[in-house]
Amino acid sequence: DSGVTQTPKHLITATGQRVTLRCSPRSGDLSVYWYQQSLDQGLQFLIHYYNGEERAKGNILERFSAQQFPDLHSELNLSSLELGDSALYFCASSVANSWETQYFGPGTRLLVL
Amino acid sequence: GENVEQHPSTLSVQEGDSAVIKCTYSDSASNYFPWYKQELGKRPQLIIDIRSNVGEKKDQRIAVTLNKTAKHFSLHITETQPEDSAVYFCAASPGYGNKLVFGAGTILRVKS
Repeated sequence: DSGVTQTPKHLITATGQRVTLRCSPRSGDLSVYWYQQSLDQGLQFLIHYYNGEERAKGNILERFSAQQFPDLHSELNLSSLELGDSALYFCASSVANSWETQYFGPGTRLLVL
Repeated sequence: GENVEQHPSTLSVQEGDSAVIKCTYSDSASNYFPWYKQELGKRPQLIIDIRSNVGEKKDQRIAVTLNKTAKHFSLHITETQPEDSAVYFCAASPGYGNKLVFGAGTILRVKS
Protein backbone atom coordinates (compact mmCIF):
# COMPACT_ATOMS: atom_id res chain seq x y z
CA ASP A 1 0.00 0.00 0.00
CA SER A 2 1.53 3.29 -1.15
CA GLY A 3 -0.52 5.47 1.20
CA VAL A 4 -2.19 7.23 -1.72
CA THR A 5 -5.95 6.72 -1.80
CA GLN A 6 -8.30 7.16 -4.72
CA THR A 7 -12.07 7.07 -4.84
CA PRO A 8 -14.11 5.63 -6.32
CA LYS A 9 -12.40 2.41 -7.40
CA HIS A 10 -14.83 1.90 -10.25
CA LEU A 11 -17.15 4.25 -12.04
CA ILE A 12 -19.62 3.51 -14.79
CA THR A 13 -21.37 6.38 -16.49
CA ALA A 14 -22.86 7.45 -19.81
CA THR A 15 -21.59 9.64 -22.59
CA GLY A 16 -22.12 13.34 -22.00
CA GLN A 17 -21.99 13.00 -18.23
CA ARG A 18 -19.59 14.56 -15.76
CA VAL A 19 -17.64 12.75 -13.05
CA THR A 20 -15.23 13.68 -10.30
CA LEU A 21 -12.34 11.51 -9.25
CA ARG A 22 -10.74 12.08 -5.88
CA CYS A 23 -7.19 11.56 -4.68
CA SER A 24 -5.73 11.84 -1.20
CA PRO A 25 -1.94 12.01 -1.18
CA ARG A 26 0.34 10.37 1.34
CA SER A 27 0.66 12.25 4.57
CA GLY A 28 3.18 15.04 4.12
CA ASP A 29 3.24 14.91 0.33
CA LEU A 30 2.68 18.27 -1.34
CA SER A 31 2.64 17.17 -4.97
CA VAL A 32 -0.19 15.39 -6.72
CA TYR A 33 0.00 14.06 -10.27
CA TRP A 34 -2.78 12.68 -12.46
CA TYR A 35 -2.32 10.06 -15.17
CA GLN A 36 -4.59 8.37 -17.67
CA GLN A 37 -3.95 4.80 -18.81
CA SER A 38 -5.91 3.49 -21.75
CA LEU A 39 -5.37 0.63 -24.15
CA ASP A 40 -4.82 2.83 -27.19
CA GLN A 41 -3.01 5.79 -25.61
CA GLY A 42 -0.90 3.99 -23.06
CA LEU A 43 0.15 5.82 -19.90
CA GLN A 44 -0.16 9.59 -20.16
CA PHE A 45 0.67 12.33 -17.75
CA LEU A 46 -2.24 14.75 -17.36
CA ILE A 47 -1.43 17.39 -14.78
CA HIS A 48 0.68 18.14 -11.71
CA TYR A 49 -0.18 20.24 -8.66
CA TYR A 50 2.19 21.34 -5.94
CA ASN A 51 0.84 22.74 -2.71
CA GLY A 52 -2.34 23.93 -4.38
CA GLU A 53 -0.78 25.39 -7.50
CA GLU A 54 -0.74 23.94 -10.97
CA ARG A 55 2.84 23.14 -11.97
CA ALA A 56 2.68 21.34 -15.26
CA LYS A 57 0.18 20.22 -17.84
CA GLY A 58 0.49 17.21 -20.05
CA ASN A 59 -2.02 15.79 -22.49
CA ILE A 60 -5.06 16.95 -20.58
CA LEU A 61 -8.16 17.69 -22.61
CA GLU A 62 -10.04 20.96 -22.20
CA ARG A 63 -13.04 18.91 -21.01
CA PHE A 64 -10.93 17.82 -18.05
CA SER A 65 -9.92 19.98 -15.13
CA ALA A 66 -8.27 19.44 -11.80
CA GLN A 67 -7.58 21.22 -8.58
CA GLN A 68 -5.74 20.68 -5.33
CA PHE A 69 -7.41 21.84 -2.16
CA PRO A 70 -5.87 23.40 0.98
CA ASP A 71 -5.89 19.99 2.68
CA LEU A 72 -3.84 18.78 -0.32
CA HIS A 73 -6.36 16.32 -1.68
CA SER A 74 -7.02 16.65 -5.37
CA GLU A 75 -9.96 16.16 -7.68
CA LEU A 76 -9.99 15.45 -11.38
CA ASN A 77 -13.17 16.54 -13.11
CA LEU A 78 -14.10 14.94 -16.40
CA SER A 79 -17.00 16.46 -18.32
CA SER A 80 -18.88 15.80 -21.56
CA LEU A 81 -17.59 12.27 -21.33
CA GLU A 82 -16.92 10.30 -24.48
CA LEU A 83 -16.46 6.57 -25.01
CA GLY A 84 -12.75 7.18 -25.49
CA ASP A 85 -12.43 8.57 -21.98
CA SER A 86 -12.83 5.06 -20.63
CA ALA A 87 -9.55 4.37 -18.91
CA LEU A 88 -7.76 3.80 -15.65
CA TYR A 89 -6.98 7.09 -13.93
CA PHE A 90 -4.08 7.11 -11.50
CA CYS A 91 -3.01 9.78 -9.16
CA ALA A 92 0.39 9.84 -7.54
CA SER A 93 1.95 11.96 -4.85
CA SER A 94 5.42 12.97 -3.81
CA VAL A 95 7.00 15.00 -1.06
CA ALA A 96 8.83 17.48 -3.22
CA ASN A 97 8.34 19.03 -6.58
CA SER A 98 10.10 16.15 -8.27
CA TRP A 99 9.41 12.81 -9.87
CA GLU A 100 11.78 10.63 -7.90
CA THR A 101 9.67 10.04 -4.83
CA GLN A 102 6.41 9.56 -6.66
CA TYR A 103 3.99 6.93 -5.31
CA PHE A 104 0.96 5.82 -7.28
CA GLY A 105 -2.50 5.25 -5.94
CA PRO A 106 -4.57 2.17 -6.87
CA GLY A 107 -6.42 3.98 -9.65
CA THR A 108 -10.03 4.64 -10.60
CA ARG A 109 -11.39 2.59 -13.46
CA LEU A 110 -13.82 4.66 -15.51
CA LEU A 111 -16.14 3.07 -18.02
CA VAL A 112 -18.17 5.34 -20.26
CA LEU A 113 -21.07 3.61 -21.99
CA GLY B 1 7.55 18.48 -27.46
CA GLU B 2 9.21 15.41 -26.09
CA ASN B 3 8.61 12.07 -27.75
CA VAL B 4 9.69 8.75 -26.25
CA GLU B 5 9.88 5.57 -28.29
CA GLN B 6 10.21 2.21 -26.59
CA HIS B 7 11.29 -1.13 -28.05
CA PRO B 8 10.46 -3.93 -28.15
CA SER B 9 6.73 -3.92 -27.50
CA THR B 10 6.90 -7.51 -26.26
CA LEU B 11 9.84 -9.53 -25.03
CA SER B 12 9.94 -13.17 -24.04
CA VAL B 13 12.97 -14.59 -22.28
CA GLN B 14 13.83 -17.79 -20.53
CA GLU B 15 14.17 -17.68 -16.78
CA GLY B 16 17.74 -16.82 -15.89
CA ASP B 17 18.45 -14.97 -19.13
CA SER B 18 18.90 -11.22 -19.42
CA ALA B 19 16.34 -8.77 -20.78
CA VAL B 20 17.05 -5.42 -22.36
CA ILE B 21 14.49 -2.74 -23.14
CA LYS B 22 15.49 0.37 -25.07
CA CYS B 23 14.03 3.86 -25.24
CA THR B 24 14.91 6.87 -27.30
CA TYR B 25 13.88 10.43 -26.58
CA SER B 26 13.76 13.50 -28.75
CA ASP B 27 14.27 16.47 -26.42
CA SER B 28 17.94 16.97 -25.59
CA ALA B 29 16.88 19.05 -22.59
CA SER B 30 15.41 16.00 -20.84
CA ASN B 31 17.32 15.28 -17.68
CA TYR B 32 15.39 12.63 -15.77
CA PHE B 33 14.67 9.10 -16.98
CA PRO B 34 12.63 6.75 -14.78
CA TRP B 35 11.53 3.19 -15.40
CA TYR B 36 8.25 1.84 -14.07
CA LYS B 37 7.06 -1.73 -13.65
CA GLN B 38 3.36 -2.47 -13.79
CA GLU B 39 2.07 -5.91 -12.93
CA LEU B 40 -1.28 -6.98 -14.26
CA GLY B 41 -4.08 -5.07 -12.54
CA LYS B 42 -1.72 -3.10 -10.34
CA ARG B 43 -0.34 0.40 -10.18
CA PRO B 44 2.95 1.45 -11.80
CA GLN B 45 5.95 1.31 -9.50
CA LEU B 46 9.20 3.14 -9.96
CA ILE B 47 11.98 0.54 -10.15
CA ILE B 48 14.97 2.63 -11.13
CA ASP B 49 15.77 6.06 -12.49
CA ILE B 50 18.73 7.98 -13.82
CA ARG B 51 19.63 11.62 -14.25
CA SER B 52 21.47 13.07 -17.19
CA ASN B 53 24.70 13.61 -15.24
CA VAL B 54 25.09 9.85 -14.73
CA GLY B 55 25.84 7.25 -17.40
CA GLU B 56 24.81 4.12 -15.54
CA LYS B 57 23.01 3.11 -12.39
CA LYS B 58 22.55 -0.34 -10.84
CA ASP B 59 20.24 -1.77 -8.24
CA GLN B 60 20.78 -5.50 -7.69
CA ARG B 61 19.61 -7.26 -10.88
CA ILE B 62 18.44 -4.05 -12.54
CA ALA B 63 20.56 -1.46 -14.31
CA VAL B 64 19.88 1.53 -16.48
CA THR B 65 22.29 3.08 -18.96
CA LEU B 66 22.03 6.49 -20.58
CA ASN B 67 23.66 7.73 -23.77
CA LYS B 68 22.99 11.45 -23.94
CA THR B 69 24.69 11.87 -27.29
CA ALA B 70 22.50 9.30 -28.95
CA LYS B 71 19.53 10.24 -26.78
CA HIS B 72 18.71 6.75 -25.70
CA PHE B 73 18.53 4.86 -22.45
CA SER B 74 18.09 1.20 -21.67
CA LEU B 75 16.85 -1.04 -18.89
CA HIS B 76 18.83 -4.19 -18.24
CA ILE B 77 17.47 -7.01 -16.10
CA THR B 78 19.83 -9.88 -15.37
CA GLU B 79 18.99 -13.36 -14.11
CA THR B 80 15.34 -12.86 -14.90
CA GLN B 81 12.73 -14.52 -12.72
CA PRO B 82 9.04 -15.25 -13.36
CA GLU B 83 8.09 -12.42 -11.02
CA ASP B 84 9.81 -10.01 -13.41
CA SER B 85 6.96 -10.62 -15.85
CA ALA B 86 5.12 -7.31 -16.18
CA VAL B 87 4.77 -4.26 -18.39
CA TYR B 88 7.73 -1.91 -18.21
CA PHE B 89 7.46 1.78 -19.07
CA CYS B 90 10.27 4.19 -19.68
CA ALA B 91 9.75 7.92 -19.36
CA ALA B 92 11.59 11.19 -19.83
CA SER B 93 11.18 14.53 -18.19
CA PRO B 94 12.06 17.50 -20.38
CA GLY B 95 14.22 20.16 -18.82
CA TYR B 96 11.92 23.03 -19.68
CA GLY B 97 9.01 21.88 -17.53
CA ASN B 98 7.75 19.19 -15.27
CA LYS B 99 5.98 17.06 -17.84
CA LEU B 100 6.72 13.35 -17.84
CA VAL B 101 6.42 11.62 -21.20
CA PHE B 102 6.09 7.84 -21.28
CA GLY B 103 7.05 5.24 -23.79
CA ALA B 104 4.38 2.86 -25.05
CA GLY B 105 5.47 0.05 -22.75
CA THR B 106 7.10 -3.36 -23.11
CA ILE B 107 5.38 -6.57 -22.08
CA LEU B 108 8.07 -8.79 -20.57
CA ARG B 109 7.32 -12.49 -20.20
CA VAL B 110 9.77 -14.66 -18.32
CA LYS B 111 9.24 -18.31 -19.11
CA SER B 112 10.16 -20.87 -16.48
